[in-house]
Amino acid sequence: QVQLQESGPGLVKPSETLSLTCAVSGFSINTVYYWGWIRQPPGKGLEWIGSIYHSRSTYYNPSLESRVTISADTSKNQIYLKLTSVTATDTAIYYCVRGEVVTPDCWGQGTLVTVSS
Amino acid sequence: QRVLTQAPSASASLGASVNLTCTLNSGHSDYAVAWHQQHPEKGPRFLMKLNSDGSHRKGDGIPDRFSGSSSGAERYLTISSLQSDDEADYYCQTWHTGILWVFGGGTKLTVL
Repeated sequence: QVQLQESGPGLVKPSETLSLTCAVSGFSINTVYYWGWIRQPPGKGLEWIGSIYHSRSTYYNPSLESRVTISADTSKNQIYLKLTSVTATDTAIYYCVRGEVVTPDCWGQGTLVTVSS
Repeated sequence: QRVLTQAPSASASLGASVNLTCTLNSGHSDYAVAWHQQHPEKGPRFLMKLNSDGSHRKGDGIPDRFSGSSSGAERYLTISSLQSDDEADYYCQTWHTGILWVFGGGTKLTVL
């Protein structure tokens, strides 16, 4: 059974870089699935950030593309998110997901990241 | 034009059935969608992928009370024999060139 566990700092200062790790267990990330990140600002809806496919090809939301990097380490079975130059609008719960082209089909429990000085 | 449109809220009585609707815009009217459920203070859970012909694939452990259907650009999630635990936010989602996954605004379901 696949499990996704997000981790990282819960507080990031404005203008700094948000860095998160997703540890995947029960399933290899080096398969024909998309692995990605989705976020949800408090009290608001869901926004796709980006995905990585077969540990190589990356796809980003155009609204965030200039600030986002998603990568993977197959030896550790982990996915990573970096978001640079954060502001208060980046405050959100960040979810790690696995999916196919049409949809994510497995979600992590999420981790809250607050951007504040 | 938004890709997906959902009503912000819906309500139905305990034990009854409810249909939640997701409408695709004209450029995506034949696309598959997925439905995700989110309880308060919890992460979302994948319910099903629903194709334009009404066929669907449910996630692991999703009860038979949850079903999906399609008509034109409309995608429906039907929940029968409503339980109090069905009270949640329901998001429809599809894929879009340039944006891999795009979500509707969500429907908050209240079980009366």
